[in-house]
Amino acid sequence: EVQLLESGGGLVQPGGSLRLSCTASGFTFNNYAMSWVRQAPGKGLEWVSGISASDDSTYYADSVKGRFTISRDNSKNTLYVQMNSLRAEDTAVYYCAKDLPITSFQAEYWGQGTLVTVSS
Amino acid sequence: QSVVTQPPSASGTPGQRVTISCSGSSSNIGSNYVYWYQQFPGTAPKLLIYRNNQRPSGVPDRISGSKSGTSASLAISGLRSEDEADYYCATWDDSLSGSLFGGGTKLTVL
Repeated sequence: EVQLLESGGGLVQPGGSLRLSCTASGFTFNNYAMSWVRQAPGKGLEWVSGISASDDSTYYADSVKGRFTISRDNSKNTLYVQMNSLRAEDTAVYYCAKDLPITSFQAEYWGQGTLVTVSS
Repeated sequence: QSVVTQPPSASGTPGQRVTISCSGSSSNIGSNYVYWYQQFPGTAPKLLIYRNNQRPSGVPDRISGSKSGTSASLAISGLRSEDEADYYCATWDDSLSGSLFGGGTKLTVL
């Protein structure tokens, strides 16, 4: 059974930093691209960032480019996103997502999400 | 405002067939696959359709997807009360080098 468990969310002040983690199990982690998707309170889904299975390609939404860095540790079956220079508009539930067998930066499976609140 | 556009709401009565549209451009829907997700309040989304018209195992065949040019649609036939949810289309955008979600459509079963 595929499981994705996000952690690291919480309250952070504007301008601050936070690192989210996603621990994966139930599949061969290093065979799949992964993504982060977020959802602001009462709003729709927003794709944030994606990383290829081998870690050699990363992609970002314009809204986070230059502030967020996605990475993965295939030896630990863990996906990360380092979030710097956080803004109020980054407040959202952040979901970790496993891609389909053919890389598409879409989400075959989702984690339960972790809430990030940016506020003073 | 999303680059990929969906109607904010749709509705139907039990047993009806409803469709939800998703409109984009040549750099996204026009040249890439479309995916559809279903989301209930307070829960993570679920993949309903991949590669325009393919259903993951467990998704009933009364749910279907199609694509033509720069638009796509999700159809739900034999509408049930449990279909009441938010629906999102998604695709890759070659110009942005990133994935995009539509703004979402709230489906109400009357």
